[in-house]
Amino acid sequence: GAGVSQSPSNKVTEKGKDVELRCDPISGHTALYWYRQSLGQGLEFLIYFQGNSAPDKSGLPSDRFSAERTGGSVSTLTIQRTQQEDSAVYLCASSLSSQGTNGYTFGSGTRLTVV
Amino acid sequence: AQSVTQPDIHITVSEGASLELRCNYSYGATPYLFWYVQSPGQGLQLLLKYFSGDTLVQGIKGFEAEFKRSQSSFNLRKPSVHWSDAAEYFCAVGGDAGKSTFGDGTTLTVKP
Repeated sequence: GAGVSQSPSNKVTEKGKDVELRCDPISGHTALYWYRQSLGQGLEFLIYFQGNSAPDKSGLPSDRFSAERTGGSVSTLTIQRTQQEDSAVYLCASSLSSQGTNGYTFGSGTRLTVV
Repeated sequence: AQSVTQPDIHITVSEGASLELRCNYSYGATPYLFWYVQSPGQGLQLLLKYFSGDTLVQGIKGFEAEFKRSQSSFNLRKPSVHWSDAAEYFCAVGGDAGKSTFGDGTTLTVKP
């Protein structure tokens, strides 16, 4: 597609429920990233996929968070047993270069609210 | 570990005035440096990037940034600000295994 597409754009969920956030990167972009942006905060790195390599999961805040990338394209971020502190905007980005050295193209994000 | 500091949380300038947003980074080698802009409800858009070569880089929307290795800085500038430039601006440093580290952002308000 023309840009990075994220769905849903907004998600309200009850505490304890599981949620799935989807990211469809730009076709041909081998690198895909998930970041989290809490209110008034900068961007917190979550996970990084590069081609067929094992993902860098070093930023995932707990084992309730997981992500996968199927066929080197679409990625899903799953949060299990959501907590109120998970409320944030989840941003997906993709990059043509393997090291992100060209910079990222971001999606518009998914705003997650846990009530 | 790489890190980025944006000392100014909020800046207000008058329309037509010049702008400088500060960014200081920490990185062991030659960094990849980026500035992004985020309008309300949107994702981030890349304004410009630096890796090597000319230390003054030009970006989109009339922005430029200057890399100063001695000061570990990469400040963003614009000679004349337009009301549409009101947004949040993020500086980022990359190069560590492909991940970029972002500053906490500077919110720009433009007065008419």
